[in-house]
Amino acid sequence: DIVMTQGVLPNPVPSGESASITCRSSKSLVYKDGKTYLNWFLQRPGQSPQLLTYWMSTRASGVSDRFSGSGSGTYFTLKISRVRAEDAGVYYCQQVREYPLTFGSGTKLEIK
Amino acid sequence: EVKLLESGGGLVQPGGSLRLSCAASGFTFTDFYMSWIRQPPGKAPEWLGVIRNKANGYTTEYNPSVKGRFTISRDNTQNILYLQMNTLRAEDTAIYYCARSSGGYPFDYWGQGVMVTVSS
Repeated sequence: DIVMTQGVLPNPVPSGESASITCRSSKSLVYKDGKTYLNWFLQRPGQSPQLLTYWMSTRASGVSDRFSGSGSGTYFTLKISRVRAEDAGVYYCQQVREYPLTFGSGTKLEIK
Repeated sequence: EVKLLESGGGLVQPGGSLRLSCAASGFTFTDFYMSWIRQPPGKAPEWLGVIRNKANGYTTEYNPSVKGRFTISRDNTQNILYLQMNTLRAEDTAIYYCARSSGGYPFDYWGQGVMVTVSS
């Protein structure tokens, strides 16, 4: 199985500042079609996970441009610019390069 | 509007069985892959398995962690996804979600989840 390892944030992050969340995969997530199969989700307390970005850097419909995904084949970053209170929650990376699909352990973002 | 609504959760004894349902609406059900994902309280989500769409013959893939105990099926006339869970263990206690995707595309819609508790 591909193991996804997420970093820790130095919480809380002051409102208006930027935050970068990291994720590393145990195997390259680049497929033969050239796409990188890495997704980011945000889970607010008591809610289902919400898709933020897919194919490493494509924002999902309706997601603010304050969220941007980047990376290489095995190292990925989700940057959140000008954080707001509504950005608080747990962020998960997920690989969909191969089965079984796997998630990272999550990174908690708290806003000050 | 896309909606996914899980049901069938509850308390079950170890060794017991349970069948979850996920009622889908607002989209062409047969066009999409449907997955089950679970999340133990306070932990990360775990993908359980997928049933592909009509174009891909409704074939299935499972996480080895549940393969042989859990079975995913779909009723394409009623737009319902199922998860049959057998020989349940305490570690199967979690919120269970259904989610839709398509080949190469991510889980863009999730249900609200249903709680399953395995305890004597």
